Amino acid sequence: DAMVIQNPRYQVTQFGKPVTLSCSQTLNHNVMYWYQQKSSQAPKLLFHYYDKDFNNEADTPDNFQSRRPNTSFCFLDIRSPGLGDAAMYLCATSRQGPITEAFFGQGTRLTVV
Amino acid sequence: AQTVTQSQPEMSVQEAETVTLSCTYDTSESDYYLFWYKQPPSRQMILVIRQEAYKQQNATENRFSVNFQKAAKSFSLKISDSQLGDAAMYFCAYKGIKAAGNKLTFGGGTRVLVKP
Repeated sequence: DAMVIQNPRYQVTQFGKPVTLSCSQTLNHNVMYWYQQKSSQAPKLLFHYYDKDFNNEADTPDNFQSRRPNTSFCFLDIRSPGLGDAAMYLCATSRQGPITEAFFGQGTRLTVV
Repeated sequence: AQTVTQSQPEMSVQEAETVTLSCTYDTSESDYYLFWYKQPPSRQMILVIRQEAYKQQNATENRFSVNFQKAAKSFSLKISDSQLGDAAMYFCAYKGIKAAGNKLTFGGGTRVLVKP
């Protein structure tokens, strides 16, 4: 049973053309995360929501934005994708609390042409 | 800022043998949590095992166990009786209790290859 679903699995976008990646969850978790993972590297946290509270990482470029219209859905918007933004984007959810497990989606692989 | 270091980019193990993955971390916090996550090819990342820093006893989950050395800031993962399905990227991760939203900080990963 898929619990964290990311759509699409693969996305090709043109240089500079806005693109939106989506994530939905059936776990009713209050925390949702977006990570960027480049080839063979550690996932890098872009931002996360605790309920509706948005927490941006200090080094996340302004080009990256996020929306969370409700508990179940979260979107990653890349306003003007550059070649350097090509990566796997991972969505994860968890309940609040340090020991809680994070549940990941399968990721969206973004290609910029 | 917390950092997590995995010094082994890749490890190879024979099926049914044991492999140990290294992880070190740097933190000024006294209470925190450590995790190992597994990322199989083209599949989502899943939790393998977790450890609370205040617990001296090493965590164990079936064939997976950790060696947690708090003073040395070391958190290694041992995979016993390796199976073909263990082939994946393994990420060590840190979560401090004071971190906003309890965010996970990952190490660079270790690719595990299992030879039949």
